[in-house]
Amino acid sequence: QVRLVQSGPEVKNPGASVKVSCKASGSTFTDYYVHWVRQAPGQGLEWMGWINAHGDGTHSVQKFQGRVTMTRDTSINTAYMELSRLRSDDTAIYYCVTMKTATSYFDPWGQGTLVSVSS
Amino acid sequence: QSALTQPASVSGSPGQSITISCTGTSSDVGHYNYVSWYQQHPGKAPKLLIYDVTNRPSGVSNRFSGSKSGTTASLTISGLQAEDEADYYCSSYSSSTTQRYVFGTGTKVIVL
Repeated sequence: QVRLVQSGPEVKNPGASVKVSCKASGSTFTDYYVHWVRQAPGQGLEWMGWINAHGDGTHSVQKFQGRVTMTRDTSINTAYMELSRLRSDDTAIYYCVTMKTATSYFDPWGQGTLVSVSS
Repeated sequence: QSALTQPASVSGSPGQSITISCTGTSSDVGHYNYVSWYQQHPGKAPKLLIYDVTNRPSGVSNRFSGSKSGTTASLTISGLQAEDEADYYCSSYSSSTTQRYVFGTGTKVIVL
């Protein structure tokens, strides 16, 4: 089964961008879509979008369109999520999570990356 | 696309059974058998408990079971244990073209 390790915590100013990485090991990375889910402090899970198995297609929730860019480099088994024009309400833990092709459940999850946005 | 509706909290004594509901619409829970459930302990990433309404991944205790009726899915925890105290989230695939997946609002399980 795939194992996911995310990049470390980030502190950003409002208006800046952040890029979170998610490195996979242990299984064939191109068998999986990579989804991004975030969780604001004390709040629930919020699905943001996905990038497909080969990195040539993405889908994101309308509220993030224009601000989020999801990419992946299959040569190094790593996926990326970049969020631009950060606001204070983007402060959250960002999780990458895989979904095997032709399934509809999230498993496994990365450990999460805390992104703090504050001036 | 709104979040699926879950009760804020459910409590029970050790050994009891509890059920958490997850109410959606005819565009998600009511239309697809793609409901999954996740357990999240404080400071940890969520963990898959149930997928495709009723299926348990290997390694997940058989004390956890899932079901669905109409637009409401349910997670039942039988033989409640102290370690089951955590947050639980449901999720469903959706026919919405603007948001293909949606999570529930989350339920805090309290073991008395």
